[in-house]
Amino acid sequence: GENVEQHPSTLSVQEGDSAVIKCTYSDSASNYFPWYKQELGKRPQLIIDIRSNVGEKKDQRIAVTLNKTAKHFSLHITETQPEDSAVYFCAASGGGADGLTFGKGTHLIIQP
Amino acid sequence: DAGVIQSPRHEVTEMGQEVTLRCKPISGHDYLFWYRQTMMRGLELLIYFNNNVPIDDSGMPEDRFSAKMPNASFSTLKIQPSEPRDSAVYFCASSETPNYGYTFGSGTRLTVV
Repeated sequence: GENVEQHPSTLSVQEGDSAVIKCTYSDSASNYFPWYKQELGKRPQLIIDIRSNVGEKKDQRIAVTLNKTAKHFSLHITETQPEDSAVYFCAASGGGADGLTFGKGTHLIIQP
Repeated sequence: DAGVIQSPRHEVTEMGQEVTLRCKPISGHDYLFWYRQTMMRGLELLIYFNNNVPIDDSGMPEDRFSAKMPNASFSTLKIQPSEPRDSAVYFCASSETPNYGYTFGSGTRLTVV
């Protein structure tokens, strides 16, 4: 099955700086890569996703890039704000009806 | 739509007791997923259903865990007997496809003492 590795496990950045979270996947047939944000005590919520036929996607301050050859994808957050503090999960679909496989998560801390 | 609804929000039970977690998916979503979240293991898929039929239960940790979906609007996850290592947050999610657009419920925080 699919295996998703996520790094780093914790990331601390100054408010206003950029943050980058990276994930790798194992199944070359995977074609869908969402990112979820989970605030403390809340449910994971989808913030952005990308399909394998697209290399990059942006939505205001967040962007996701995908490198199919290397089997890795990244989340980029620019001009970070205190409300960006949360745990971020990447995920990948196995190409079949296997459901989403999630990374272990990155705890993003925005320092004032 | 009220989203995916889970109950209870919190459950504290004694070791050996039976625990039942409940989930109501979004209407029209044919797929329902049960996940368990812990600090050590992250989000783990336990089981998922398509049109009320269990498709993959390979993530169910052992026979103490069972899940049912008697109709399109209701699913249960049961642990019998419960053990302290079952303490976690259990999420239910639903979607229209197996790979896209998951919506999570608010979760059930289970504590087994």
